[in-house]
Amino acid sequence: QVQLQESGPGLVKPSETLSLTCAVSGYSISRGYYWGWIRQPPGKGLEWIGSIHYSGNTYYNPSFKSRVTISVDTSKNQFSLKLSSVTAADTAVYYCARLGSGLTYFDYWGQGTLVTVSS
Amino acid sequence: QSALTQPASVSGSPGQSITISCTGTSSDVGGYNYVSWYQQHPGKAPKVMIYDVSKWPSGVSNRFSGSKSGNTASLTISGLQAEDEAEYYCCSYAGSSTFVFGGGTKLTVL
Repeated sequence: QVQLQESGPGLVKPSETLSLTCAVSGYSISRGYYWGWIRQPPGKGLEWIGSIHYSGNTYYNPSFKSRVTISVDTSKNQFSLKLSSVTAADTAVYYCARLGSGLTYFDYWGQGTLVTVSS
Repeated sequence: QSALTQPASVSGSPGQSITISCTGTSSDVGGYNYVSWYQQHPGKAPKVMIYDVSKWPSGVSNRFSGSKSGNTASLTISGLQAEDEAEYYCCSYAGSSTFVFGGGTKLTVL
């Protein structure tokens, strides 16, 4: 059974960089698939941030492209998100997820982690 | 990338059927047969219910069905049950390995 678990600071100061990691168990990232980050501001809808392949290929939401970096560490079977210059608008629950076969939908999700941007 | 348009809320009685629409553009919903639907209960992660417009992931009830016409996709839930009460989100592939979600629809089972 594929499982994903997000981790990282729950509080980030404005203008700083948000950093999260998604640990994957039950499946080796280096076997394939794409892996992604999605966020959900409190009381609002889902927003795709970006996706990465174990080879390092990345795809980003144009809305974030100048601030976001997604990377992968196959030795630790995890991938990471960095979002720079954060503001209160970046306060959200951040989910990591796997893109299913065909790369057209997200089949496994982490439980999500709340990140609050505040001084 | 603009969010796909969903109704804010829908409701139905147990046993009835409801349909949730998801409207995009020819660059996303209308351009690809890659619409997926997610169910989200409060405080929980989303769960995929339909993918590639009308396919069922393993373990999902066939009371859930999907369709698409032009730039609008639809999720139909038949035989409504109390446990179906949740938020539902559509998501479409938007080309170049990018995705766009809808704003979400709150389903209330009366």
